[in-house]
Amino acid sequence: GQQLNQSPQSMFIQEGEDVSMNCTSSSIFNTWLWYKQDPGEGPVLLIALYKAGELTSNGRLTAQFGITRKDSFLNISASIPSDVGIYFCAGANYGGSQGNLIFGKGTKLSVKP
Amino acid sequence: DAGITQSPRHKVTETGTPVTLRCHQTENHRYMYWYRQDPGHGLRLIHYSYGVKDTDKGEVSDGYSVSRSKTEDFLLTLESATSSQTSVYFCAIGTGVGYTFGSGTRLTVV
Repeated sequence: GQQLNQSPQSMFIQEGEDVSMNCTSSSIFNTWLWYKQDPGEGPVLLIALYKAGELTSNGRLTAQFGITRKDSFLNISASIPSDVGIYFCAGANYGGSQGNLIFGKGTKLSVKP
Repeated sequence: DAGITQSPRHKVTETGTPVTLRCHQTENHRYMYWYRQDPGHGLRLIHYSYGVKDTDKGEVSDGYSVSRSKTEDFLLTLESATSSQTSVYFCAIGTGVGYTFGSGTRLTVV
């Protein structure tokens, strides 16, 4: 089946540093999503992208829908301790009804104060 | 808040016993999903439902069954629990923009 390659698998950074992670696919998607999972909780949607080349921000988070439609990127600026968690990318092809999401395996972010 | 709750939040059970996990939503969404999350594997789809009594298998469906007799409830059953089914289970609802996830059920099979 379809797979997403998400990298890096884990990151250990200092508070205040910027973070970049990405997701690539062998198939194209018409929607890319980024989720964050806090410890002990379910993933929560951060950003949704619907158009190739689209750049969308949510506070210190910025995500981009790759031009090829086979990749997406998430950047976090000036990281803080509460950014700790697992970040998942997900791709979907919506065609008028709910499409099933394909998830990456996640990037685990650790932030040192 | 999309109104999705999972029960129980934690469960310990013995190998060979049946176990049922419940997912309840309050917003009448058509699509519901069950995932399991294990270190190194991310989120893996077990089963999903696209309406009452309409269900389909995901990538790791062996050993699991589901039922959806009402829009608001999606049940996941482990017919005979095994240690390999120790995991965190998440239910999700399709909201039109991705999914909204429940808080998870941590299941330990001893």
